Amino acid sequence: DQQVKQNSPSLSVQEGRISILNCDYTNSMFDYFLWYKKYPAEGPTFLISISSIKDKNEDGRFTVFLNKSAKHLSLHIVPSQPGDSAVYFCAAKGDSGAGSYQLTFGKGTKLSVIP
Amino acid sequence: GAGVSQSPRYKVAKRGQDVALRCDPISGHVSLFWYQQALGQGPEFLTYFQNEAQLDKSGLPSDRFFAERPEGSVSTLKIQRTQQEDSAVYLCASSRRTGYQETQYFGPGTRLLVL
Repeated sequence: DQQVKQNSPSLSVQEGRISILNCDYTNSMFDYFLWYKKYPAEGPTFLISISSIKDKNEDGRFTVFLNKSAKHLSLHIVPSQPGDSAVYFCAAKGDSGAGSYQLTFGKGTKLSVIP
Repeated sequence: GAGVSQSPRYKVAKRGQDVALRCDPISGHVSLFWYQQALGQGPEFLTYFQNEAQLDKSGLPSDRFFAERPEGSVSTLKIQRTQQEDSAVYLCASSRRTGYQETQYFGPGTRLLVL
């Protein structure tokens, strides 16, 4: 039973446009969320995170939005660049017990930015 | 500074062989994690160390899997009598300390193929 879901396996976007990657979760104990980016043959690289006490966190071209009541978060990349082409993983943690250190990942969304 | 390194990067094993996968975490990082990533899936938690203590091994799929971190630095994941279903990428991650907002930094992974 997937606790973190990324329902779009792939996404194609024109260079310069906005990329929006979505993530849904079912476990109400999750309260810290992260996005990782992964290039082929490399490990996941941390991109941005958000705590459940916030609804938005921004870092340069990357913004993560959290809708806690809907158990939904999204990653916005503006403007998209060809170097952003990678697989993006949404991950979640809780604040106590095993959930405080175990990352629970979605299956990933492959983003292709077309020049 | 140096990131998390893993060796070997690729390993082909015949079914029934034992394998050992090595992880060198970022220097000074207290927490170390192993994850398993099957094809087309997100990483899944295997086990967690705080210094040399293995505090959680609930994700290890069977008693053929064994992990150690004897001096609180380098860690080894050992798989005995490998089976075809063990084929996956094994990712190691480390973080400065334990805490639910601590970022986990991943190594490049070891891709294991069991024939």
